[in-house]
Amino acid sequence: EDQVTQSPEALRLQEGESSSLNCSYTVSGLRGLFWYRQDPGKGPEFLFTLYSAGEEKEKERLKATLTKKESFLHITAPKPEDSATYLCAVQAIAVSGTYKYIFGTGTRLKVLA
Amino acid sequence: DSGVTQTPKHLITATGQRVTLRCSPRSGDLSVYWYQQSLDQGLQFLIQYYNGEERAKGNILERFSAQQFPDLHSELNLSSLELGDSALYFCASSEGVTRYEQYFGPGTRLTVT
Repeated sequence: EDQVTQSPEALRLQEGESSSLNCSYTVSGLRGLFWYRQDPGKGPEFLFTLYSAGEEKEKERLKATLTKKESFLHITAPKPEDSATYLCAVQAIAVSGTYKYIFGTGTRLKVLA
Repeated sequence: DSGVTQTPKHLITATGQRVTLRCSPRSGDLSVYWYQQSLDQGLQFLIQYYNGEERAKGNILERFSAQQFPDLHSELNLSSLELGDSALYFCASSEGVTRYEQYFGPGTRLTVT
């Protein structure tokens, strides 16, 4: 069964304390992996798209990487404003030949000043 | 601001009723997606439309239906509402031809009493 699992579920960091969030996936026909940030009560905000193993994308304090089984979101020297839920999603090919979209349940990040 | 608009922001209705949620995608985006997010739950993919045609279907109940109109806006119809349908409903859009990252609207919070 297709699955996207994110870990940890929750993470508390001190300001400046770097860490990584994990997204492991088991899907057939992966077409892309996406990272989003979601603030409480708001719609997810697009961060990165990764298409192939070995690919890396960077934006400010965030860096996303992809292997054949998982993706990491590295957060370098985080600030309190980085506090949010980070969601991982995969786009894969369904049996019908169309696409399907599977989201993980997210990692709730809290950065303390 | 993602450029995706959703109306209404809040909706309170009674069990057994029917409601319609509306979404306007970003300018130039051909794909529209609908998601349900219950309290403390992950995003559940409901359905996708591309240029007016249904492209992919997720865990959408038979009581729910959607359509995308020629001007590309979309509506999600929820009928015979139950208490368990209370959730945030998000619409997202993507260019859908060569780019698949999704841009989410602010959501409609549905409360069924």
